[in-house]
Amino acid sequence: ETGVTQTPRHLVMGMTNKKSLKCEQHLGHNAMYWYKQSAKKPLELMFVYSLEERVENNSVPSRFSPECPNSSHLFLHLHTLQPEDSALYLCASSQDLRGYTFGSGTRLTVV
Amino acid sequence: EDQVTQSPEALRLQEGESSSLNCSYTVSGLRGLFWYRQDPGKGPEFLFTLYSAGEEKEKERLKATLTKKESFLHITAPKPEDSATYLCAVQADWGSQGNLIFGKGTKLSVKP
Repeated sequence: ETGVTQTPRHLVMGMTNKKSLKCEQHLGHNAMYWYKQSAKKPLELMFVYSLEERVENNSVPSRFSPECPNSSHLFLHLHTLQPEDSALYLCASSQDLRGYTFGSGTRLTVV
Repeated sequence: EDQVTQSPEALRLQEGESSSLNCSYTVSGLRGLFWYRQDPGKGPEFLFTLYSAGEEKEKERLKATLTKKESFLHITAPKPEDSATYLCAVQADWGSQGNLIFGKGTKLSVKP
């Protein structure tokens, strides 16, 4: 399998649930990212991992918790989310300046 | 503050009717400007990277150009399959891995 793979594609969760989003890249890239895409808004950077070390956390609420166990895998752990957290969550990877490769995203609905 | 503004927000074209999308940016030090295409329910698909003013890149019916303040994505004789949202992003911060700052996108519809 090639590219960036995200699972699940769709997720519905209650505000008291705990769930995790998974991202896997097969490109040999050295950086991975989580972005949030909401309607009528630009993509918002959430977290950056470079060489498995978190290098940026864009003031994201603590109910979102990232994990990068190795250079190919990235997780986003979710707990006690709010309805306004419903969005498309995109994972991306990159190597130097060759542009990001995005996954297809996880459509999250918080009820 | 680094910022990216895309216009128009939406664009409707007839098949074969050429046009351009605009991306204006303000960034402290441009490392690269990126164009992506996004289809509904999918992640953005990389199209082009431009690094310096005067640079141009082409791919099929698309041509991207860059000046010191803006970039244009020219679409020549578009087809219905070109319908998508086109996203522009800039990368700054030479000193770090650098994140992309995105515009809101231009939603293009091409009617047969």
